Amino acid sequence: GQNIDQPTEMTATEGAIVQINCTYQTSGFNGLFWYQQHAGEAPTFLSYNVLDGLEEKGRFSSFLSRSKGYSYLLLKELQMKDSASYLCAVVDSNYQLIWGAGTKLIIKP
Amino acid sequence: IAGITQAPTSQILAAGRRMTLRCTQDMRHNAMYWYRQDLGLGLRLIHYSNTAGTTGKGEVPDGYSVSRANTDDFPLTLASAVPSQTSVYFCASSDTNRGTYNEQFFGPGTRLTVL
Repeated sequence: GQNIDQPTEMTATEGAIVQINCTYQTSGFNGLFWYQQHAGEAPTFLSYNVLDGLEEKGRFSSFLSRSKGYSYLLLKELQMKDSASYLCAVVDSNYQLIWGAGTKLIIKP
Repeated sequence: IAGITQAPTSQILAAGRRMTLRCTQDMRHNAMYWYRQDLGLGLRLIHYSNTAGTTGKGEVPDGYSVSRANTDDFPLTLASAVPSQTSVYFCASSDTNRGTYNEQFFGPGTRLTVL
């Protein structure tokens, strides 16, 4: 079967750094997405990785290791507005997105 | 219209009733998707359409039907609603013809409660 694992909830302090991990077991791999979803809102695109390594985009970075079936999203200089759920999704061999349950990130002052 | 719209925003429905959730996009994306999102389970694909005139079943298609008569519209119908269909429903679209990754763009969602 296909499986995406993420921590259910994480807490971090404003101004700090947090790393959200995602491990996956899927039928094929054609890329990995990270989306941000604020409570009551739609998911919005953050990053896409298809090759191993780190992709940096401002305060957010995403890392991929295909051999380990592992990715992480790194958020720096945390702001209160970063309080949201972060969804990991893998593109499988049929080019469908398989979604993790999401990690709820709570930012404290 | 800018992006994807969904209607209604929320709905309370009696079990056994028929309901159609509407979804319209103005980005001329070829692919469209319907997901349901339940607490602790993440997004689950109900049905999808890779191009106008074609549809396919996702992970949880039972009790739902879709049609894709044109590029812009992708309605989702619950023929006879049951309480287990209480959920938040998201419509999404993507351009899979660009040859790059198919980032999906999401509508604002419909919160459906079946009593």
